[in-house]
Amino acid sequence: AQTVTQSQPEMSVQEAETVTLSCTYDTSESDYYLFWYKQPPSRQMILVIRQEAYKQQNATENRFSVNFQKAAKSFSLKISDSQLGDAAMYFCAYDGNAGNMLTFGGGTRLMVKP
Amino acid sequence: AAGVIQSPRHLIKEKRETATLKCYPIPRHDTVYWYQQGPGQDPQFLISFYEKMQSDKGSIPDRFSAQQFSDYHSELNMSSLELGDSALYFCASSLVKRDFYNEQFFGPGTRLTVL
Repeated sequence: AQTVTQSQPEMSVQEAETVTLSCTYDTSESDYYLFWYKQPPSRQMILVIRQEAYKQQNATENRFSVNFQKAAKSFSLKISDSQLGDAAMYFCAYDGNAGNMLTFGGGTRLMVKP
Repeated sequence: AAGVIQSPRHLIKEKRETATLKCYPIPRHDTVYWYQQGPGQDPQFLISFYEKMQSDKGSIPDRFSAQQFSDYHSELNMSSLELGDSALYFCASSLVKRDFYNEQFFGPGTRLTVL
């Protein structure tokens, strides 16, 4: 079974600074997808960024980028120019080929200080 | 753009009662997923349906059942409710497209409180 681990329960960043959230996963599959989801206080799950394992190039979405290290099974999220609206719970998630079901990590609560 | 609709948004039940949660996927989406997120926890996959057939099953208790109807909406039926069933229940939908990743779009969730 796949597992996803987020070792940072909480992180804090100053507004306009950069922060990196860590995620590691365990799988025996070679093809899979990795995601970062944002869950603000409204509890809505919002997709931030997606990475296909077969792609070597790291995904980027505006201020959000990932550092995908397939051999190390590491998938970190970098948020640049942090904004107050970035404050939320962030979940790393995995989806393999066995089925289209997401396995989530325990989450990292990001606080942004003005 | 239309999103996933879940109803009700909030539900309060007593122990041993039953509850039915409804999910209306994005129009033309053919797959529905259910997730349970307990307080302070990450979402856990329960079950999914594709074209009205169960496609995957996760950590869904035997007291729960679900189905997808001909109009693709889905219902999650929960019986003999326990205090531990108090959680946020997410529904997500996707459209199966050959050779493309089937991105899941999440609804706002139904918050179930069992007293």
